[in-house]
Amino acid sequence: DAKTTQPPSMDCAEGRAANLPCNHSTISGNEYVYWYRQIHSQGPQYIIHGLKNNETNEMASLIITEDRKSSTLILPHATLRDTAVYYCIVRVSLGYNQGGKLIFGQGTELSVKP
Amino acid sequence: AAGVIQSPRHLIKEKRETATLKCYPIPRHDTVYWYQQGPGQDPQFLISFYEKMQSDKGSIPDRFSAQQFSDYHSELNMSSLELGDSALYFCASSAGEAKNIQYFGAGTRLSVL
Repeated sequence: DAKTTQPPSMDCAEGRAANLPCNHSTISGNEYVYWYRQIHSQGPQYIIHGLKNNETNEMASLIITEDRKSSTLILPHATLRDTAVYYCIVRVSLGYNQGGKLIFGQGTELSVKP
Repeated sequence: AAGVIQSPRHLIKEKRETATLKCYPIPRHDTVYWYQQGPGQDPQFLISFYEKMQSDKGSIPDRFSAQQFSDYHSELNMSSLELGDSALYFCASSAGEAKNIQYFGAGTRLSVL
């Protein structure tokens, strides 16, 4: 699985958009970009994933550059409860019944401030 | 909606004792994963099971073993506990067409004294 690089920490004002970048310059064509977050000592929580098209769900938006070497997770209106460590993970989307471990690297510690 | 259930939530053991952690996946999920998170560290994959068979293995010590039962719940058995085994242990489950989305439990905090 490709290696990812994220800034170790970021601040965001409450109510503003939080834009979390991730570099994955060695990503290969069949690898997806996944985002999970971990609120202090809780179990990691799935946020969103994508291959090459931008994706949006009720939690966030994922913008992937055309060359797929980087992506940005956008929390449109950050709240205090979004304070967490955000992990960008690149991995192959395996076929049915093959599953696949998550390799957590250094994530971004996002602090949302009032 | 039902989530992944882990028990116990907290466990205190002495060195060289044994511990058993349990994980009950989301109903109809057929794959279970175990992760270990030491203090100040990121979660590290230990082992996974699909349909009661081991599907992948990470840096799991030989002192640890795990299995998945016919009802899909899983147990992580840890023997000859060491101080360094003190950590949060997370279980996650996934299934079907959403195979690659893992849902995590709240974790078991193991303290070895």
